[in-house]
Amino acid sequence: GESVGLHLPTLSVQEGDNSIINCAYSNSASDYFIWYKQESGKGPQFIIDIRSNMDKRQGQRVTVLLNKTVKHLSLQIAATQPGDSAVYFCAEDNTDKLIFGTGTRLQVFP
Amino acid sequence: EPEVTQTPSHQVTQMGQEVILRCVPISNHLYFYWYRQILGQKVEFLVSFYNNEISEKSEIFDDQFSVERPDGSNFTLKIRSTKLEDSAMYFCASSEWREGGDTQYFGPGTRLTVL
Repeated sequence: GESVGLHLPTLSVQEGDNSIINCAYSNSASDYFIWYKQESGKGPQFIIDIRSNMDKRQGQRVTVLLNKTVKHLSLQIAATQPGDSAVYFCAEDNTDKLIFGTGTRLQVFP
Repeated sequence: EPEVTQTPSHQVTQMGQEVILRCVPISNHLYFYWYRQILGQKVEFLVSFYNNEISEKSEIFDDQFSVERPDGSNFTLKIRSTKLEDSAMYFCASSEWREGGDTQYFGPGTRLTVL
């Protein structure tokens, strides 16, 4: 069946370091992927997206990489800040719905 | 910046009671969604809605659930007879278009507690 999963449930990084959050997906027909950030008690907040005709997309301090060969997605956060602490979800756009992964909690310590 | 809004932020109800969760999607968006998130778990799709009808629904979205766009701005989720297992955060989302996939923007959620 279709699934979107994450490799690590918790990632702890030091402030200023770079963070890499990984995600695997199983539906090879998917062509649109999104990363969301969710802070405690809030809704998912859009971070960055990528379509399958790209393998890399950059935003402000964030980069998403897509490897369709191995069905792998990653989110890189440069110079991680305390405000980046949250749960990060990858989501796969599947026709009329998003399929979310289980989430990775990013903890930033000083 | 336009955003999706939801009311109430927290709803407490007795098992068997009806609840209506309300959402105001972003004004120029045409596609609307409801998702739920049980505490500590991932976000799960419930239903999508376009052109005044349901586009797709998950197996969670059984006969106890219904959605409606009663006017040009509101989008509601009704649970007819709540069960304990309906306790969760319910998120509304909207997107401007669909073909090829479009970003869904989420509201802050309604925390539903069924006692």
